[in-house]
Amino acid sequence: KNEVEQSPQNLTAQEGEFITINCSYSVGISALHWLQQHPGGGIVSLFMLSSGKKKHGRLIATINIQEKHSSLHITASHPRDSAVYICAVWDSGGGADGLTFGKGTHLIIQP
Amino acid sequence: DTEVTQTPKHLVMGMTNKKSLKCEQHMGHRAMYWYKQKAKKPPELMFVYSYEKLSINESVPSRFSPECPNSSLLNLHLHALQPEDSALYLCASSQAGRPVGEQFFGPGTRLTVL
Repeated sequence: KNEVEQSPQNLTAQEGEFITINCSYSVGISALHWLQQHPGGGIVSLFMLSSGKKKHGRLIATINIQEKHSSLHITASHPRDSAVYICAVWDSGGGADGLTFGKGTHLIIQP
Repeated sequence: DTEVTQTPKHLVMGMTNKKSLKCEQHMGHRAMYWYKQKAKKPPELMFVYSYEKLSINESVPSRFSPECPNSSLLNLHLHALQPEDSALYLCASSQAGRPVGEQFFGPGTRLTVL
């Protein structure tokens, strides 16, 4: 079973700062998700990637398959970005076998 | 339509009650999932249905009984739950098979067992 580690666990920053959240995993994967969860529960998928880099608005996700590492970056952070960010992986067996989750990074952006 | 819906949003039940959680998607996804999430913890996989058949049961107690009546619906039947089963129950769906598809989550049902 994959072990997914995220850092930092908690992050408080000022509005406008550039944010980086890191994720590492122990076993080869077929894809990696970055998810966002706001208080109240709902989870939103931000990115799914298996190689390279993806960008959506102020969010950028990168993955290095050889190093088993991914990063999520937020540019020009805003208080509405405050949420828990979760890294989750599909193991390389693929198929519908569910995600393995990291413990999440609790991000607070102060005005 | 890229939405997964779950009902009810909140549920309070006694330990002797029988209740059901419902999940629905109309994205044509043939894989559907139940996750359990305790406060300040990541979600934990409970069940996976692939093409309406149960493919994974992560050693979940029998007081939780999943059902997939068709490709759009997923139910979780609850009976004789314990207070420690209080949690947020999340449903998700994705394309089945390979390559794996992006997973879409519902808003969850927050369950309290008294």
